[in-house]
Amino acid sequence: DSGVTQTPKHLITATGQRVTLRCSPRSGDLSVYWYQQSLDQGLQFLIQYYNGEERAKGNILERFSAQQFPDLHSELNLSSLELGDSALYFCASSPRADGNQPQHFGDGTRLSIL
Amino acid sequence: AQKVTQAQTEISVVEKEDVTLDCVYETRDTTYYLFWYKQPPSGELVFLIRRNSFDEQNEISGRYSWNFQKSTSSFNFTITASQVVDSAVYFCALSEPYSGGGADGLTFGKGTHLIIQP
Repeated sequence: DSGVTQTPKHLITATGQRVTLRCSPRSGDLSVYWYQQSLDQGLQFLIQYYNGEERAKGNILERFSAQQFPDLHSELNLSSLELGDSALYFCASSPRADGNQPQHFGDGTRLSIL
Repeated sequence: AQKVTQAQTEISVVEKEDVTLDCVYETRDTTYYLFWYKQPPSGELVFLIRRNSFDEQNEISGRYSWNFQKSTSSFNFTITASQVVDSAVYFCALSEPYSGGGADGLTFGKGTHLIIQP
């Protein structure tokens, strides 16, 4: 158990819809990362938050957004969903934001777009 | 160009054989971090090891060992006396926190699917 909690584990929805994925980091970790894992793109970094502020952006689409709340949990919002958004979405956390600490991953949310 | 290359898409060995997973990375930074993660069939990502760019000492943890060579930009992972439970996809990843933009996210290789046959 990594200590990172992601909900829901599975999500099935239709094209054009909007969903919210939730992540609770490990106790004491201030930095939260979101990743997407798909068959064609592999594991891709989407976005990072540190202590409530956006820290870095990766390959995140404009239809996607995220935020980190005062209690440090984070949400990833995906809108105008397309078939290609079907993927496993991981959240990870680390104590700081200097790249020196390992990121511990949650079990992921599997999103299926029908 | 890929920043992290895992040229071996799939490796299949018989239990108790030794196996080495290759990882070649590309960066212009002098300070960077390298990681290995394991993704078993259940799907979670499990952290295995972190290495910073200034520490070229090899590391051994039980049956696992890692060989970091800056001269060849490689960070290879060896499993000795493999077991069926080692079957998983293994990812090598790079962090370049001091690059422009301060991106702290990991850049992953495509992964190597390791199959250990009984």
